[in-house]
Amino acid sequence: DVKVTQSSRYLVKRTGEKVFLECVQDMDHENMFWYRQDPGLGLRLIYFSYDVKMKEKGDIPEGYSVSREKKERFSLILESASTNQTSMYLCASTSTGIYGYTFGSGTRLTVV
Amino acid sequence: AQKVTQAQTEISVVEKEDVTLDCVYETRDTTYYLFWYKQPPSGELVFLIRRNSFDEQNEISGRYSWNFQKSTSSFNFTITASQVVDSAVYFCALSDPNQAGTALIFGKGTTLSVSS
Repeated sequence: DVKVTQSSRYLVKRTGEKVFLECVQDMDHENMFWYRQDPGLGLRLIYFSYDVKMKEKGDIPEGYSVSREKKERFSLILESASTNQTSMYLCASTSTGIYGYTFGSGTRLTVV
Repeated sequence: AQKVTQAQTEISVVEKEDVTLDCVYETRDTTYYLFWYKQPPSGELVFLIRRNSFDEQNEISGRYSWNFQKSTSSFNFTITASQVVDSAVYFCALSDPNQAGTALIFGKGTTLSVSS
């Protein structure tokens, strides 16, 4: 069964901390994505990557960075967490050619 | 700019009722893909359907059916004889295959509540 795995289901961090959200896929997909989901706003794209070491900004990249050193792993970094980054974070991957996007189960991050 | 609009924020129905979730999209591209995803309370998005812009045939899968109309830029989703297990947030999404590493653009979602 193909999978996208997000390392934490729930996370509580303090304001100002550096936070790493990890995502790993086992499907050899080229493309990986980080979305943020907030009530009433739907899913908004933070960053995506279409190849190792490649990254592109999405709609709301401010306050975030990403890393993709290996094909299977795509990390989202909050350099200095703030309370307005409290949200559900969803990782997804897909192969080139726009077939099914597979999502992880999400990380619910609370910044206090 | 590409955009997906799901005008219905919340819908409540009683079991066995039919319900239609609306999705209207905007794009200047001639080639694109449309998707529907279901997000149950557990949180994981579940893929329901993908439709490309050249295929306007309606699709039926069990109690689910989809109506794609390019003339009105709509891709509506109907659940027939709804069940409590259909309660979830449903997202419509649009993708442009002409860009490398393209991302999905989501609507804001429709929360469906089915009561027994």
